[in-house]
Amino acid sequence: QKEVEQNSGPLSVPEGAIASLNCTYSDRGSQSFFWYRQYSGKSPELIMFIYSNGDKEDGRFTAQLNKASQYVSLLIRDSQPSDSATYLCAVNPTGGGNKLTFGTGTQLKVEL
Amino acid sequence: DAEITQSPRHKITETGRQVTLACHQTWNHNNMFWYRQDLGHGLRLIHYSYGVQDTNKGEVSDGYSVSRSNTEDLPLTLESAASSQTSVYFCASQLVAGNHEQFFGPGTRLTVL
Repeated sequence: QKEVEQNSGPLSVPEGAIASLNCTYSDRGSQSFFWYRQYSGKSPELIMFIYSNGDKEDGRFTAQLNKASQYVSLLIRDSQPSDSATYLCAVNPTGGGNKLTFGTGTQLKVEL
Repeated sequence: DAEITQSPRHKITETGRQVTLACHQTWNHNNMFWYRQDLGHGLRLIHYSYGVQDTNKGEVSDGYSVSRSNTEDLPLTLESAASSQTSVYFCASQLVAGNHEQFFGPGTRLTVL
């Protein structure tokens, strides 16, 4: 079982719709969770991080964390073509020090 | 502005050659990391450092080495390049304290022929 799992996609949504990206993790003691966006040929850039159960909103983005079910999700409201990218979920695992474990990413395509 | 840079951005080398990829950050971050990214595998940790003279192996460290002689730089050396090391390499840095966010460099695309 991979430590951080994501559906590779592609996930296609029409412009203006809500895109929902999901991530599950195996280490129940993980404390912090990150969503990175990576455009093709570019480096990952942080979109959001979340520590506590529940929702965290930042503009069009909402991160949701459910530690009991060991999943974290990212919602993108009013999706735009510029949101088309690969979204990487990352987790700081128990005993991992300052390291992050990354999922393989979900490719999102926002269609006109 | 503070930043993290990598050089070269692209490199082609031959099997068996020694290759060094440079990573330089001006944020004065103590923590630095090297990853490789391959299709289907995501980002995998090669080596990391929590400060000067500190280096640690990641999950895919075989065939790679790093050294940390100052805060700003963490060069990655492929001792004898192999075709399996063809990949995109990313360097990242991180504050010691804080939320564990890592900031990534632009990446180096390495091809081993």
